[in-house]
Amino acid sequence: DQQVKQNSPSLSVQEGRISILNCDYTNSMFDYFLWYKKYPAEGPTFLISISSIKDKNEDGRFTVFLNKSAKHLSLHIVPSQPGDSAVYFCAVTNTGNQFYFGTGTSLTVIP
Amino acid sequence: KAGVTQTPRYLIKTRGQQVTLSCSPISGHRSVSWYQQTPGQGLQFLFEYFSETQRNKGNFPGRFSGRQFSNSRSEMNVSTLELGDSALYLCASSLSSGHWGDEQYFGPGTRLTVT
Repeated sequence: DQQVKQNSPSLSVQEGRISILNCDYTNSMFDYFLWYKKYPAEGPTFLISISSIKDKNEDGRFTVFLNKSAKHLSLHIVPSQPGDSAVYFCAVTNTGNQFYFGTGTSLTVIP
Repeated sequence: KAGVTQTPRYLIKTRGQQVTLSCSPISGHRSVSWYQQTPGQGLQFLFEYFSETQRNKGNFPGRFSGRQFSNSRSEMNVSTLELGDSALYLCASSLSSGHWGDEQYFGPGTRLTVT
């Protein structure tokens, strides 16, 4: 039973445009949300996070938006760069307990 | 400082066998978590060890077990392997239990293929 869903397995975007990656979760008890980036043959690396008391967190080109009523979060990358091409996982947790990851979205940024 | 290391990087086993994977956390880190990555299910949490004790456990059968040593190195064991156990197994370390995000560092993973 998937607690977290990333319904788009892949996404292609032109360099310089916005990339929007989406993630839906099922349980309103989750209170901390994260995005990870994963390159082939490497482990995931942390990208950005947001706690449930906020609805937006920005770090450079990366912004995460949280819509608690819709149980939805999204990652915006602006402007997209070829080096952003990777698999992106969203993750949710009820702090101090388990992690639940989505299935990942493979982003390709076309030069 | 050195990152999280996992050995072996690649492994091929046959159904019914057992396998042991190893994870060495970043020096000073005492928490090690294990994850299974498959194409259909994404990343799934297996368990977390802290100070040689299992702190949290995901929804996996008892064939999956782990342990942690006094130097914080951790091993994961899978017995009676099934074809569906073919996956990338990732471990992640952090200073203490319950730390996430930029305080958690992942290793490169062990690619297990069961034939």
